[in-house]
Amino acid sequence: ETGVTQTPRHLVMGMTNKKSLKCEQHLGHNAMYWYKQSAKKPLELMFVYNFKEQTENNSVPSRFSPECPNSSHLFLHLHTLQPEDSALYLCASSQPPSSPLHFGNGTRLTVT
Amino acid sequence: QKEVEQNSGPLSVPEGAIASLNCTYSDRGSQSFFWYRQYSGKSPELIMFIYSNGDKEDGRFTAQLNKASQYVSLLIRDSQPSDSATYLCAVNPAVETGTASKLTFGTGTRLQVTL
Repeated sequence: ETGVTQTPRHLVMGMTNKKSLKCEQHLGHNAMYWYKQSAKKPLELMFVYNFKEQTENNSVPSRFSPECPNSSHLFLHLHTLQPEDSALYLCASSQPPSSPLHFGNGTRLTVT
Repeated sequence: QKEVEQNSGPLSVPEGAIASLNCTYSDRGSQSFFWYRQYSGKSPELIMFIYSNGDKEDGRFTAQLNKASQYVSLLIRDSQPSDSATYLCAVNPAVETGTASKLTFGTGTRLQVTL
């Protein structure tokens, strides 16, 4: 399996649920990212991990909790989300310092 | 606030014509520049990247960079209906060796190639 794989592809959750998004990359990269894409807005950088260390938290609410156990895996734990959190969540990886980002297929999240 | 500006479109061009997509950025220290294509309901896909002033060609695509004017563009020659998508411009600030990218994206330009 190659590239960046995200699961699940679609997720519907209630505001009181707890769920996790998973991302795995097979490109040998050392940096991984979570981006949020909402309608009519540019991609918003949420979190950056470089060599498993979190290097960026872009003022993301604490109801989003990232986890990076190794350079190939990235999780986004979700709890008590709001309807405005409904969006496409994209995982990406790259090789520092300036190589392009490679995106996964995304998880379409709907919060009801 | 570092910004990347794109015209949202839609930009409509006939099949076979040249499509010209433009992007300006505010961070004068930006070092690398990327164009991504995103089909509706899909994730962004890298089309081109450019680091130096001037033109870079890859098949039907040409990226143009002018750092003095803080301007980057993407030309698509012989446009095809399959090129219809949203094109995202992304800019990376100056980075230190070993640090991860922190791309800032524009909102994208929607391109429609008509028959």
